[in-house]
Amino acid sequence: AQSVAQPEDQVNVAEGNPLTVKCTYSVSGNPYLFWYVQYPNRGLQFLLKYITGDNLVKGSYGFEAEFNKSQTSFHLKKPSALVSDSALYFCAVGLWMDSSYKLIFGSGTRLLVRP
Amino acid sequence: DSGVTQTPKHLITATGQRVTLRCSPRSGDLSVYWYQQSLDQGLQFLIQYYNGEERAKGNILERFSAQQFPDLHSELNLSSLELGDSALYFCASSVGAGSEKLFFGSGTQLSVL
Repeated sequence: AQSVAQPEDQVNVAEGNPLTVKCTYSVSGNPYLFWYVQYPNRGLQFLLKYITGDNLVKGSYGFEAEFNKSQTSFHLKKPSALVSDSALYFCAVGLWMDSSYKLIFGSGTRLLVRP
Repeated sequence: DSGVTQTPKHLITATGQRVTLRCSPRSGDLSVYWYQQSLDQGLQFLIQYYNGEERAKGNILERFSAQQFPDLHSELNLSSLELGDSALYFCASSVGAGSEKLFFGSGTQLSVL
């Protein structure tokens, strides 16, 4: 079965420190990989995506993600966290199945950046 | 603002009732997706429409149905509601039928009492 795993329910970091939010996937074929962020009482917002090419993808708000094919991972990173980065982060895998495209989300990781 | 509009923002109803959630996609977007977000199930894909036609189906119950109209807005109909249907329902839109980023609305919070 196709699946996306975010092993950490919550990640806590101090402001100014680097952050990593982990994501691994188990799908057949070559998926598209995405990160979305959800702020309180808001819908999800697109951060970045990987389709092909350079394994390090840069996105919005200073975030980047590293694709690792051998480990089937797509971890989200930021060199220096801000308190305003505190939110719920979702990893997602997009793939074509049965002639239709499906976007499968992980369970989400809550990021808490303390001042 | 994503450009995707969902109404109503909040809906409180009783078990056994039927409700309709409405979504207007971003101008120019042809695809509409519906997702259900709950604490225990996470974000679940329900259904996708592309230019008026059903394109993909996810974990959508038979009590639920959706459609996309000629003006591209979409409605999600939930019937014979149960307590477990209480959740946040998101609509998202994209230009094409897949692989692009999705733009999400702010959601409709459904409470079934």
